[in-house]
Amino acid sequence: SQQGEEDPQALSIQEGENATMNCSYKTSINNLQWYRQNSGRGLVHLILIRSNEREKHSGRLRVTLDTSKKSSSLLITASRAADTASYFCATDAGDYKLSFGAGTTVTVRA
Amino acid sequence: SQTIHQWPATLVQPVGSPLSLECTVEGTSNPNLYWYRQAAGRGLQLLFYSVGIGQISSEVPQNLSASRPQDRQFILSSKKLLLSDSGFYLCAWKGEGNTEAFFGQGTRLTVV
Repeated sequence: SQQGEEDPQALSIQEGENATMNCSYKTSINNLQWYRQNSGRGLVHLILIRSNEREKHSGRLRVTLDTSKKSSSLLITASRAADTASYFCATDAGDYKLSFGAGTTVTVRA
Repeated sequence: SQTIHQWPATLVQPVGSPLSLECTVEGTSNPNLYWYRQAAGRGLQLLFYSVGIGQISSEVPQNLSASRPQDRQFILSSKKLLLSDSGFYLCAWKGEGNTEAFFGQGTRLTVV
């Protein structure tokens, strides 16, 4: 079953703008992860945030986690055309399973 | 470094034919292994996962089965494919604890 749900489903922005997407989940987690998928390819891990962390940065990526609201956000700053992809959140509840949401499709216009 | 191989990249199979997709991992031992299916434009549905040789957990009852005959080999099978088995199949591995998953490049299966 899918634990995470991303919002919005699709996002179209101009190059240089920021892109923000959100993820909500239902049960307690050990960590939450964000992945990127280019069309027709496998997923690539972007960033992992543990349940005791509130914010994490990696390059142009910023992830927040609010365990009280069971939600996370991914911010991509100064977007580039190469950021066009689908982005997925995944929750790890420590039960060996990694559960993914439906994803947010991001299109960056040049 | 760790790598994951998944093949074939694309497959067209008739309804009622068998299926065997193979996934192998290099550079790590005792990985947790996963098979996911992704419908067009949708998220990933966890089909099977394995925490050790011969140990398979099924998430969704269906026409598919999985096996792990060796530590770093994970196979997805079907005896008779259905049209609804079409999709993009992804194999992944993950270590223990707070670690990320590594994905293969996927197999696009079309059942005709």
